[in-house]
Amino acid sequence: DTAVSQTPKYLVTQMGNDKSIKCEQNLGHDTMYWYKQDSKKFLKIMFSYNNKELIINETVPNRFSPKSPDKAHLNLHINSLELGDSAVYFCASSQDGRSETQYFGPGTRLLVL
Amino acid sequence: SQKIEQNSEALNIQEGKTATLTCNYTNYSPAYLQWYRQDPGRGPVFLLLIRENEKEKRKERLKVTFDTTLKQSLFHITASQPADSATYLCALAKDYGQNFVFGPGTRLSVLP
Repeated sequence: DTAVSQTPKYLVTQMGNDKSIKCEQNLGHDTMYWYKQDSKKFLKIMFSYNNKELIINETVPNRFSPKSPDKAHLNLHINSLELGDSAVYFCASSQDGRSETQYFGPGTRLLVL
Repeated sequence: SQKIEQNSEALNIQEGKTATLTCNYTNYSPAYLQWYRQDPGRGPVFLLLIRENEKEKRKERLKVTFDTTLKQSLFHITASQPADSATYLCALAKDYGQNFVFGPGTRLSVLP
């Protein structure tokens, strides 16, 4: 069974479009995250979220918004896509916000044309 | 500004040798540090964590050291195998519960 899954695996879209990436974890974890890995392979946190608190990296444009329908899901919505949004987006989860280990999904490769 | 550096973008070693990867940080006082492995097209996988009050941590063929004076962590893979070829990322957290900041990674190639 996949612990952290993401869909789609690949996403190719035009500038200006709105898109969503879905993430699900079946580990029973309380905290989920979204990371962006750019072409230089830097992995940067975008959001961390549990039932109580959303922490947003201040460098993330407000075109990006996380949506959590329940504890096992944290979807990423992106409005008005720009060329610079092209990257690999990883979802991750941990037991709680104070946990030491994060479990990552396989990534979603977004290409904005 | 805070900065995390990993010794080199790529490292090639011969099978059977010990691989040593370096993670250096500046303007940072992490409470703990993690090492992850990332294979092409996959997400990072957690390997080891070491806390600021620990000098060394081991797990099978892996060893991590943490020198808060030098602001450096070393990650060793002994008796390296081609299957160890991957990108290795260090990640630092300022405190328990704080988000991790990742380094740029070192791509390790173990040659048969």
